[in-house]
Amino acid sequence: EVHLLESGGGLVQPGGSLRLSCAASGFTFSNYALSWVRQAPGKGLEWVSAISGSGGTTHYADSVKGRFTISRDNSKNMVYLQMNSLRAEDTAVYYCAKQTNQAIFDYWGQGTLVTVSS
Amino acid sequence: IQLTQSPSSLSASVGDRVTITCRASQGISSYLAWYQQKPGKAPKLLIYAASTLQSGVPSRFSGSGSGTDFTLTISSLQPEDFAAYYCQQLYSYPLTFGGGTKVEIK
Repeated sequence: EVHLLESGGGLVQPGGSLRLSCAASGFTFSNYALSWVRQAPGKGLEWVSAISGSGGTTHYADSVKGRFTISRDNSKNMVYLQMNSLRAEDTAVYYCAKQTNQAIFDYWGQGTLVTVSS
Repeated sequence: IQLTQSPSSLSASVGDRVTITCRASQGISSYLAWYQQKPGKAPKLLIYAASTLQSGVPSRFSGSGSGTDFTLTISSLQPEDFAAYYCQQLYSYPLTFGGGTKVEIK
């Protein structure tokens, strides 16, 4: 059974940094791309970033480009999102999502809440 | 690629037929998926490739369309279908979602 578990969320001041982690199990981790998708309180879904199975290719939304960095450790079945220069508008639940080979999100974690506030 | 969903919300009764539309700002062939999200929960994949039902999803859900115009139809609304629905394009990065449609009980 596929399982994704996010961690690392919390309260951070504007301009601060946070690293989110996603632990994956139940599938051949290195064969699949993974994404981070976020949802601000009461709002819709926003794709944030994706990383290929090998880790060699990454993509970012314009809203986070230059501030967030996605990475993965295939030896540990982990994906990470390093978030720097955080802003109030980055406040959201952040989901880790497994992609099919066509960038469809077939499995999701339960999410971790990031709050950016002074 | 921008995705525009309509309506943003709707009220319906159990047994009603419900249709949600998703329009892309440019042609995306059939590279579209639909998700259902209930309050406090992660989204769940319903349909991919515009019209292919994900395994385990009830057959009352169906999708259609290609190019720029797509629809999600629930043929007979059930109590467990009251939720938010999102379309997503997978044609190109950056991946994008529609703004969502909230289906509420009339």
